[in-house]
Amino acid sequence: DAGITQSPRHKVTETGTPVTLRCHQTENHRYMYWYRQDPGHGLRLIHYSYGVKDTDKGEVSDGYSVSRSKTEDFLLTLESATSSQTSVYFCAISHGTPYSNQPQHFGDGTRLSIL
Amino acid sequence: AQTVTQSQPEMSVQEAETVTLSCTYDTSENNYYLFWYKQPPSRQMILVIRQEAYKQQNATENRFSVNFQKAAKSFSLKISDSQLGDTAMYFCAFFRAGGTSYGKLTFGQGTILTVHP
Repeated sequence: DAGITQSPRHKVTETGTPVTLRCHQTENHRYMYWYRQDPGHGLRLIHYSYGVKDTDKGEVSDGYSVSRSKTEDFLLTLESATSSQTSVYFCAISHGTPYSNQPQHFGDGTRLSIL
Repeated sequence: AQTVTQSQPEMSVQEAETVTLSCTYDTSENNYYLFWYKQPPSRQMILVIRQEAYKQQNATENRFSVNFQKAAKSFSLKISDSQLGDTAMYFCAFFRAGGTSYGKLTFGQGTILTVHP
């Protein structure tokens, strides 16, 4: 299994509070991604990183920010959590080049509930 | 932008039988990859099978095979000899090859497959 650890695994918090989810990898992969999973929508990309300090927005980035100060860590922050951000969040990594068929490997997910 | 559609929210099959999950996609790209991921109740995302768009031959992995119809933009997954452990949510995913894609995946909505004993 790819060495990806997400923390925390579960979190319950209140509307308006800041929340940070962490993704840690031991594979030295260049590419890292944050997705959210919601019923009827599959997984949707929030943000991604293609190197240290190199990040960009995905399709559902509003209300989220990310940082990657080291190859192994990719942080997702909800500056002021809202109930619409209740979801399961997945981190993924990939070592392939953009021309490779190397798949992404996923962490075990974080279930985030915002009350 | 690419879109991926899985039109079957739920499917069921008897153990040992064969089932086919549908996936269609929309893209103007010519160079891309397609994947099927499995998500059992444990919530893990597990790669089942992959297909390169430039390959005409359909990919096969043991009991899992695909029917890739590039002109029709269709990518269905066939599971033969279904087992109870195949019970899961299945996601179809699209990956546009190229330097500006950064390996990003576009997922379908998912199909819940239940295998009955």
